[in-house]
Amino acid sequence: DAGVTQSPTHLIKTRGQHVTLRCSPISGHKSVSWYQQVLGQGPQFIFQYYEKEERGRGNFPDRFSARQFPNYSSELNVNALLLGDSALYLCASSLEAGPAYNEQFFGPGTRLTVL
Amino acid sequence: DAKTTQPPSMDCAEGRAANLPCNHSTISGNEYVYWYRQIHSQGPQYIIHGLKNNETNEMASLIITEDRKSSTLILPHATLRDTAVYYCIVRPGGGATNKLIFGTGTLLAVQP
Repeated sequence: DAGVTQSPTHLIKTRGQHVTLRCSPISGHKSVSWYQQVLGQGPQFIFQYYEKEERGRGNFPDRFSARQFPNYSSELNVNALLLGDSALYLCASSLEAGPAYNEQFFGPGTRLTVL
Repeated sequence: DAKTTQPPSMDCAEGRAANLPCNHSTISGNEYVYWYRQIHSQGPQYIIHGLKNNETNEMASLIITEDRKSSTLILPHATLRDTAVYYCIVRPGGGATNKLIFGTGTLLAVQP
């Protein structure tokens, strides 16, 4: 079975532009979470979606938004890009939304560079 | 903020056991200890989790102290492929979200 897939693998944008990142969860998984990982730091939680509804939001500005589709895939959108948005963006899927032994499976990430 | 403290780096000889410590002195009664690792340029990978009993799976063993204020992840026979950043995370057993709060982790370098 395929794991979590993300597209694109790499992306280069300039300041002020908009970007859309995509994630396909493992088949049967209903929850998708997004994380941002800046170089040298651990991943930071951005959003969690379950059954198309937002279940959690991290401390990120409103420039960051996301949605989940009926097939459980998800998009992360970032508007008005800043240099500081340069990071590895990770998507994770899980069967359910709650934490009680709910293993998350991470994709390989999208490397975003903002120039 | 992360609720755990880990050494920034450790070395281990190939074939020997790697023992990675983690302090979580403010852990609550309903919080589990999870370990993930991240090999360079890949997404994090789940390793093991526990509440208060020691746990073992095909990848590793998790030893949690009786007061639950610290734990140790043990890789019994480290290989070069185990070189990675290891994250210790505490997380509640219930709730509506399964978000993970990562710290900076421990970079384990397995030496040949």
